[in-house]
Parts: sequence; structure tokens; C-alpha cells
Amino acid sequence: NAGVTQTPKFQVLKTGQSMTLQCAQDMNHEYMSWYRQDPGMGLRLIHYSVGAGITDQGEVPNGYNVSRSTTEDFPLRLLSAAPSQTSVYFCASSYRIVPRSLHFGNGTRLTVT
Amino acid sequence: AQTVTQSQPEMSVQEAETVTLSCTYDTSESDYYLFWYKQPPSRQMILVIRQEAYKQQNATENRFSVNFQKAAKSFSLKISDSQLGDAAMYFCAYRSASQGGSEKLVFGKGTKLTVNP
Repeated sequence: NAGVTQTPKFQVLKTGQSMTLQCAQDMNHEYMSWYRQDPGMGLRLIHYSVGAGITDQGEVPNGYNVSRSTTEDFPLRLLSAAPSQTSVYFCASSYRIVPRSLHFGNGTRLTVT
Repeated sequence: AQTVTQSQPEMSVQEAETVTLSCTYDTSESDYYLFWYKQPPSRQMILVIRQEAYKQQNATENRFSVNFQKAAKSFSLKISDSQLGDAAMYFCAYRSASQGGSEKLVFGKGTKLTVNP
């Protein structure tokens, strides 16, 4: 049972480049989400999904796109990377019904130069 | 919107001693969940303990326990018999449980715990 798998673990981009952070879960969780973690800021929600075909914005959605074509996958796309997007990104999933605790991936450290 | 406040950016404790990490939250909802997550240097997010707001009894998990004060909107974490492996960032988090409520998990900014040998 792999849980939540994020790839890559590390990535360096130049300003203006695009990339996709991958997230997959094998627990049949309806809910999936993306957070970014910055020093002194805790974790802030970027986008989330409550099921295939359904996505919504979180607290800091600008500069990011998501889609949810399957229950298992929830990729995060950076269309034109900016230095302000340098961060650690976490994907997390859970059932919608109790106990509602999130299962996290191991994170992706992204640096934009 | 719900907010979570951790007023202690850093804490330290001697090995084998007890430490309490503070967390307060703001919400108008009556049905919700509260969590403490641990993040060691490995970056992995680990669930430490969970509390359902409708339960009056404080949750406990081995050496970890919470003091849940619903009226005061306070949710502190007590770590007993601290071990070197407890050194980590600790995050308090809130999630609505109400039908149609927010699916978002709201985090505090974290408390860095150092355990001194």
C-alpha cells in the first residue's frame, strides 16, 4: 500500500518555465488537495478536489492549475513559474467522511530561479 | 473563515520532561475536527492526535494528550516523557465536519520543538 505518492522530490525551474507536480493515491480517497509550505507561514491550501471532475480553489490558487480526471490522480500545474513559487509542496488525501485526517505525500521541494 | 493560531514559534524541553504546545482557533461552527501533526526534519507530515469537537473527553495517544477547551477554543498538546525523537515542527489544524462545510484543513504556523538531552 503506497499511500500518497508525489513526484518529483526536488525540482529546479527557471522563471517562466512550466511543470507539473504529480500526485497519486491508492486508498480510493475522494478528497485530494495541494498545500504549499513556506517558512513561518505553515501550510496553505492551493487547490482541492472532492471527487473526479470537481476542483475548487484554496487560499493561494494564483499561478496554479489543477484537474481531477480520475480518483487516483491530482496533478498540480505551474504554467509560468515565478520565484515566489519557490516552496515545498505537499499533496494530501482523505475520505470525505470521518475520520477526515489527511494522508500526506512526502513533499516536493521546488526552487524557481 | 476559520483561523488557527500557534503563539509559540519555538519551544524547548529537557529529555524525559513534559511540554505543552498551545493552539487556539476561531470558528463559528459547532461541529469540527482538530489535529496535531508532527513534521520531523525528514519533511514527512505525521498525524499525532485527533479530537472530535462533539467529544468532551480529551484524546490521548500514548505519551501525547490534548487539553480541548471548546468554549475557550483552545486545543493544546501535552507531550509527556519527552524523547529526542519528538524534536520536530508541530502543526495544529482545524477541519469542518458539518454537512456542506468547508473541505479545507486550516493550519497554524507551527511550533518548533527542541528536545535537549
